[in-house]
Amino acid sequence: GDSVTQMEGPVTLSEEAFLTINCTYTATGYPSLFWYVQYPGEGLQLLLKATKADDKGSNKGFEATYRKETTSFHLEKGSVQVSDSAVYFCALGGSNYQLIWGAGTKLIIKP
Amino acid sequence: NAGVTQTPKFQVLKTGQSMTLQCAQDMNHEYMSWYRQDPGMGLRLIHYSVGAGITDQGEVPNGYNVSRSTTEDFPLRLLSAAPSQTSVYFCASTGSPGQPYEQYFGPGTRLTVT
Repeated sequence: GDSVTQMEGPVTLSEEAFLTINCTYTATGYPSLFWYVQYPGEGLQLLLKATKADDKGSNKGFEATYRKETTSFHLEKGSVQVSDSAVYFCALGGSNYQLIWGAGTKLIIKP
Repeated sequence: NAGVTQTPKFQVLKTGQSMTLQCAQDMNHEYMSWYRQDPGMGLRLIHYSVGAGITDQGEVPNGYNVSRSTTEDFPLRLLSAAPSQTSVYFCASTGSPGQPYEQYFGPGTRLTVT
């Protein structure tokens, strides 16, 4: 069945460092892909999405490109801030409007 | 709009007790779901509903019941609490026109079963 694999965390970076969080997927067809973010003590919220191959989703300085050839949707940011510390979830759109979730990657940014 | 609201925020139960976690949304979304979040295990779907009167099981439904009598409300009932149900529970809704997968999450209920 469909699945999502994310790099394990925690990922610890210094402020202004470059961020990559890897996400790969297994699916039949070409599902929509998503990144959600969960700040401490809160629910998840949509960060960005891409609905077809080669689409680039972007928001708040974060970007991810839908790569059909490598079945990947890696999350990147050029210069992270302490306020980016959160858990990041990669997901793909399945049947019945369900999302198939990765396990989440905790990001810690040190000042 | 309040979005998705959940009550209570925190709850402690003894083994064998029952309780209902409340979830409501004011966005007129058809699709609602309940997840549990455990350390290192991401989100697991418990039950979901595609509209009033229609519910179905997710990945981990055992020990939980749901009903959907209105579009707005989707309560989750724990029938006989067990320590294995200690978790953070999230309710989510989706169904904005043209955005079928954009899920809106509530703030969560942190449940401890002793």
